[in-house]
Amino acid sequence: DAGITQSPRHKVTETGTPVTLRCHQTENHRYMYWYRQDPGHGLRLIHYSYGVKDTDKGEVSDGYSVSRSKTEDFLLTLESATSSQTSVYFCAISDWSSTEAFFGQGTRLTVV
Amino acid sequence: QQQVKQSPQSLIVQKGGISIINCAYENTAFDYFPWYQQFPGKGPALLIAIRPDVSEKKEGRFTISFNKSAKQFSLHIMDSQPGDSATYFCAARNSGGSNYKLTFGKGTLLTVNP
Repeated sequence: DAGITQSPRHKVTETGTPVTLRCHQTENHRYMYWYRQDPGHGLRLIHYSYGVKDTDKGEVSDGYSVSRSKTEDFLLTLESATSSQTSVYFCAISDWSSTEAFFGQGTRLTVV
Repeated sequence: QQQVKQSPQSLIVQKGGISIINCAYENTAFDYFPWYQQFPGKGPALLIAIRPDVSEKKEGRFTISFNKSAKQFSLHIMDSQPGDSATYFCAARNSGGSNYKLTFGKGTLLTVNP
Protein backbone atom coordinates (compact mmCIF):
# COMPACT_ATOMS: atom_id res chain seq x y z
CA ASP A 1 0.00 0.00 0.00
CA ALA A 2 1.13 3.52 -0.80
CA GLY A 3 2.26 5.42 2.27
CA ILE A 4 -0.61 7.82 2.81
CA THR A 5 -1.95 8.65 6.22
CA GLN A 6 -4.99 10.81 6.81
CA SER A 7 -5.76 12.27 10.21
CA PRO A 8 -8.06 12.31 11.94
CA ARG A 9 -10.04 9.36 10.58
CA HIS A 10 -13.26 10.56 12.19
CA LYS A 11 -14.30 13.95 13.47
CA VAL A 12 -17.46 15.57 14.71
CA THR A 13 -17.44 19.33 14.92
CA GLU A 14 -19.88 22.15 15.41
CA THR A 15 -21.08 24.58 12.79
CA GLY A 16 -18.88 27.64 12.58
CA THR A 17 -15.73 26.08 13.98
CA PRO A 18 -12.49 25.76 12.00
CA VAL A 19 -11.34 22.27 11.08
CA THR A 20 -8.05 21.06 9.62
CA LEU A 21 -7.55 17.69 8.02
CA ARG A 22 -4.06 16.37 7.42
CA CYS A 23 -2.67 14.18 4.68
CA HIS A 24 0.83 12.80 5.11
CA GLN A 25 2.71 10.80 2.47
CA THR A 26 5.98 8.91 2.56
CA GLU A 27 6.24 8.36 -1.21
CA ASN A 28 7.77 11.72 -2.15
CA HIS A 29 5.09 12.15 -4.83
CA ARG A 30 4.78 15.55 -6.43
CA TYR A 31 0.99 15.76 -6.71
CA MET A 32 -1.46 15.71 -3.83
CA TYR A 33 -5.22 16.06 -3.98
CA TRP A 34 -8.18 16.49 -1.70
CA TYR A 35 -11.50 14.98 -2.77
CA ARG A 36 -14.84 14.79 -1.05
CA GLN A 37 -17.19 11.87 -1.54
CA ASP A 38 -20.93 12.25 -1.19
CA PRO A 39 -23.76 9.90 -2.17
CA GLY A 40 -24.90 10.63 -5.70
CA HIS A 41 -21.95 12.90 -6.42
CA GLY A 42 -19.02 10.52 -6.54
CA LEU A 43 -15.59 11.99 -5.92
CA ARG A 44 -15.23 15.71 -6.40
CA LEU A 45 -11.93 17.54 -6.39
CA ILE A 46 -11.61 20.28 -3.77
CA HIS A 47 -8.02 21.45 -4.16
CA TYR A 48 -4.80 20.00 -5.42
CA SER A 49 -1.09 20.67 -5.21
CA TYR A 50 1.58 20.22 -7.85
CA GLY A 51 4.51 21.08 -5.60
CA VAL A 52 5.50 22.71 -2.34
CA LYS A 53 3.52 25.93 -1.98
CA ASP A 54 1.92 25.33 -5.41
CA THR A 55 -1.80 24.75 -5.11
CA ASP A 56 -4.89 25.28 -7.22
CA LYS A 57 -8.64 25.03 -6.91
CA GLY A 58 -10.77 22.10 -7.91
CA GLU A 59 -14.45 22.04 -8.78
CA VAL A 60 -15.81 22.44 -5.21
CA SER A 61 -13.28 24.72 -3.52
CA ASP A 62 -15.62 27.26 -1.90
CA GLY A 63 -15.28 27.21 1.89
CA TYR A 64 -11.98 25.31 1.80
CA SER A 65 -8.34 26.31 1.83
CA VAL A 66 -5.18 24.25 1.60
CA SER A 67 -1.52 24.53 2.38
CA ARG A 68 1.54 22.56 1.46
CA SER A 69 4.71 23.69 3.19
CA LYS A 70 6.48 20.34 2.81
CA THR A 71 6.39 17.69 0.11
CA GLU A 72 4.92 15.14 2.50
CA ASP A 73 2.09 17.15 4.05
CA PHE A 74 -1.06 18.60 2.51
CA LEU A 75 -3.53 20.28 4.84
CA LEU A 76 -7.18 20.96 4.14
CA THR A 77 -8.85 23.65 6.24
CA LEU A 78 -12.51 24.42 6.62
CA GLU A 79 -12.41 27.98 7.88
CA SER A 80 -15.92 27.90 9.31
CA ALA A 81 -17.52 24.49 9.02
CA THR A 82 -21.08 24.18 7.69
CA SER A 83 -23.45 21.22 7.64
CA SER A 84 -23.04 21.00 3.86
CA GLN A 85 -19.40 20.07 4.46
CA THR A 86 -20.38 16.87 6.21
CA SER A 87 -18.72 14.32 3.98
CA VAL A 88 -15.98 11.76 3.60
CA TYR A 89 -12.73 13.40 2.58
CA PHE A 90 -10.05 11.55 0.66
CA CYS A 91 -6.47 12.54 0.05
CA ALA A 92 -4.71 11.17 -3.01
CA ILE A 93 -1.17 11.32 -4.34
CA SER A 94 0.43 10.77 -7.72
CA ASP A 95 3.74 11.30 -9.41
CA TRP A 96 4.56 12.73 -12.82
CA SER A 97 6.16 9.46 -13.81
CA SER A 98 3.19 7.32 -12.85
CA THR A 99 -0.35 7.34 -14.10
CA GLU A 100 -1.77 5.86 -10.92
CA ALA A 101 -3.26 7.95 -8.13
CA PHE A 102 -3.18 6.39 -4.67
CA PHE A 103 -5.87 7.20 -2.15
CA GLY A 104 -5.79 7.38 1.61
CA GLN A 105 -8.33 5.69 3.87
CA GLY A 106 -10.50 8.76 4.18
CA THR A 107 -11.69 11.07 6.95
CA ARG A 108 -15.34 11.04 7.91
CA LEU A 109 -16.31 14.56 8.97
CA THR A 110 -19.65 15.37 10.54
CA VAL A 111 -20.65 18.98 11.09
CA VAL A 112 -23.50 19.36 13.58
CA GLN B 1 -20.54 20.74 -15.92
CA GLN B 2 -20.11 17.02 -15.50
CA GLN B 3 -17.26 15.97 -17.71
CA VAL B 4 -17.55 12.22 -17.08
CA LYS B 5 -20.99 10.64 -17.02
CA GLN B 6 -21.34 7.16 -15.55
CA SER B 7 -24.21 4.69 -15.69
CA PRO B 8 -25.93 2.86 -14.19
CA GLN B 9 -25.98 4.26 -10.68
CA SER B 10 -26.48 0.77 -9.26
CA LEU B 11 -26.31 -2.72 -10.67
CA ILE B 12 -27.33 -6.12 -9.36
CA VAL B 13 -25.87 -9.20 -11.01
CA GLN B 14 -26.02 -12.89 -10.25
CA LYS B 15 -22.85 -14.79 -9.51
CA GLY B 16 -21.24 -15.86 -12.76
CA GLY B 17 -22.91 -13.14 -14.77
CA ILE B 18 -21.40 -10.21 -16.66
CA SER B 19 -21.37 -6.76 -15.10
CA ILE B 20 -21.20 -3.80 -17.48
CA ILE B 21 -20.66 -0.20 -16.44
CA ASN B 22 -20.57 2.61 -18.96
CA CYS B 23 -18.95 6.02 -19.04
CA ALA B 24 -18.97 8.91 -21.48
CA TYR B 25 -16.73 11.93 -21.56
CA GLU B 26 -16.76 15.32 -23.22
CA ASN B 27 -13.22 16.65 -23.09
CA THR B 28 -11.23 15.35 -26.06
CA ALA B 29 -8.02 16.33 -24.27
CA PHE B 30 -8.45 13.42 -21.83
CA ASP B 31 -5.72 10.89 -22.49
CA TYR B 32 -5.93 8.40 -19.65
CA PHE B 33 -8.99 6.51 -18.47
CA PRO B 34 -8.76 4.50 -15.24
CA TRP B 35 -11.35 2.56 -13.33
CA TYR B 36 -11.26 2.57 -9.54
CA GLN B 37 -12.79 0.04 -7.17
CA GLN B 38 -13.89 1.01 -3.69
CA PHE B 39 -14.95 -1.25 -0.85
CA PRO B 40 -16.94 0.12 2.11
CA GLY B 41 -14.77 2.06 4.53
CA LYS B 42 -11.79 2.09 2.18
CA GLY B 43 -10.29 4.52 -0.27
CA PRO B 44 -10.64 3.90 -4.02
CA ALA B 45 -7.97 1.71 -5.59
CA LEU B 46 -6.92 1.49 -9.21
CA LEU B 47 -8.46 -1.53 -10.92
CA ILE B 48 -7.55 -1.17 -14.58
CA ALA B 49 -6.78 1.67 -16.97
CA ILE B 50 -6.57 2.38 -20.68
CA ARG B 51 -5.15 4.97 -23.02
CA PRO B 52 -7.12 6.08 -26.10
CA ASP B 53 -4.70 4.54 -28.59
CA VAL B 54 -6.12 1.06 -27.90
CA SER B 55 -9.72 -0.15 -28.12
CA GLU B 56 -9.61 -2.82 -25.44
CA LYS B 57 -7.58 -3.86 -22.43
CA LYS B 58 -8.07 -7.03 -20.48
CA GLU B 59 -6.75 -7.99 -17.07
CA GLY B 60 -8.10 -11.26 -15.77
CA ARG B 61 -11.90 -11.00 -15.53
CA PHE B 62 -11.86 -7.23 -16.06
CA THR B 63 -11.95 -5.63 -19.51
CA ILE B 64 -12.10 -2.01 -20.60
CA SER B 65 -13.63 -1.30 -23.99
CA PHE B 66 -12.85 2.10 -25.45
CA ASN B 67 -14.60 3.91 -28.30
CA LYS B 68 -12.70 7.09 -29.08
CA SER B 69 -15.05 8.37 -31.79
CA ALA B 70 -18.07 8.01 -29.51
CA LYS B 71 -16.12 9.28 -26.49
CA GLN B 72 -17.28 6.31 -24.46
CA PHE B 73 -15.63 3.58 -22.46
CA SER B 74 -16.94 0.72 -20.42
CA LEU B 75 -15.90 -1.80 -17.80
CA HIS B 76 -16.89 -5.43 -18.23
CA ILE B 77 -16.56 -7.85 -15.33
CA MET B 78 -16.80 -11.43 -16.52
CA ASP B 79 -17.87 -14.27 -14.24
CA SER B 80 -18.86 -11.76 -11.55
CA GLN B 81 -18.25 -12.90 -7.99
CA PRO B 82 -19.72 -11.75 -4.65
CA GLY B 83 -16.26 -10.41 -3.79
CA ASP B 84 -16.61 -7.98 -6.70
CA SER B 85 -19.42 -6.22 -4.84
CA ALA B 86 -18.13 -2.67 -4.49
CA THR B 87 -18.50 0.82 -5.87
CA TYR B 88 -16.81 1.38 -9.21
CA PHE B 89 -15.71 4.76 -10.50
CA CYS B 90 -14.60 5.63 -13.98
CA ALA B 91 -12.28 8.57 -14.36
CA ALA B 92 -10.45 10.58 -16.96
CA ARG B 93 -7.31 12.67 -16.88
CA ASN B 94 -5.79 15.37 -19.03
CA SER B 95 -2.04 15.01 -18.78
CA GLY B 96 -1.37 18.30 -20.50
CA GLY B 97 0.41 20.98 -18.56
CA SER B 98 1.00 20.47 -14.86
CA ASN B 99 -2.50 19.54 -13.92
CA TYR B 100 -2.41 15.73 -13.58
CA LYS B 101 -5.83 15.65 -11.98
CA LEU B 102 -8.54 13.04 -12.33
CA THR B 103 -12.18 13.77 -13.06
CA PHE B 104 -14.46 11.04 -11.73
CA GLY B 105 -17.86 9.73 -12.67
CA LYS B 106 -20.48 9.53 -9.93
CA GLY B 107 -19.92 5.84 -9.31
CA THR B 108 -21.79 2.56 -9.71
CA LEU B 109 -22.71 0.39 -6.75
CA LEU B 110 -22.33 -3.21 -7.90
CA THR B 111 -23.95 -6.02 -5.95
CA VAL B 112 -23.22 -9.58 -6.98
CA ASN B 113 -25.68 -12.02 -5.48
CA PRO B 114 -24.45 -15.52 -4.61
